[in-house]
Amino acid sequence: DTGVSQDPRHKITKRGQNVTFRCDPISEHNRLYWYRQTLGQGPEFLTYFQNEAQLEKSRLLSDRFSAERPKGSFSTLEIQRTEQGDSAMYLCASSSYREKFFGPGTRLTVL
Amino acid sequence: ELKVEQNPLFLSMQEGKNYTIYCNYSTTSDRLYWYRQDPGKSLESLFVLLSNGAVKQEGRLMASLDTKARLSTLHITAAVHDLSATYFCAVEETSGSRLTFGEGTQLTVNP
Repeated sequence: DTGVSQDPRHKITKRGQNVTFRCDPISEHNRLYWYRQTLGQGPEFLTYFQNEAQLEKSRLLSDRFSAERPKGSFSTLEIQRTEQGDSAMYLCASSSYREKFFGPGTRLTVL
Repeated sequence: ELKVEQNPLFLSMQEGKNYTIYCNYSTTSDRLYWYRQDPGKSLESLFVLLSNGAVKQEGRLMASLDTKARLSTLHITAAVHDLSATYFCAVEETSGSRLTFGEGTQLTVNP
């Protein structure tokens, strides 16, 4: 399969715990994006990378959130000290020059 | 700040009918995307519109872009039940940058 993949697909955690999500982009894409989507809303931008450089971060990305793309290939998104408001679908996308393709998402539930 | 508005937000239509979804945005851009999302699933790319006057068609769906009016439309012809989903438009301010999404249009096609 040559699409965008994300792991895990579902994560249930208790408030205050740390969680980490992984995204593997389409292999020839040098741009990688993270979005968050809550029920009934459109996806909201969190951050994006060109190769290993993090070029932009949203105001939504509090200090508890950190993202990395260490070798310009896969990316991780970590949330520290999770809160119930972090419950959402976390979507990763990768991009060629023209199109952005989304992965299946990681659904996070914070209890 | 770029704002993207879709209307209607909810659309219930009968099979065989035609309808148009509208997407307005607030700042200059010539790159607009349409995505489909089924419940609990990720985003499926439908169209990428890259210039003023661009028109693309796939099956019963046709999308167009008027950058001067800051308006895109998604026209549905002779709707069928399989088109039931949520449709998002998303605007890219500059090439390769973030997407800003509309709120989505939840389409239900009734037999």
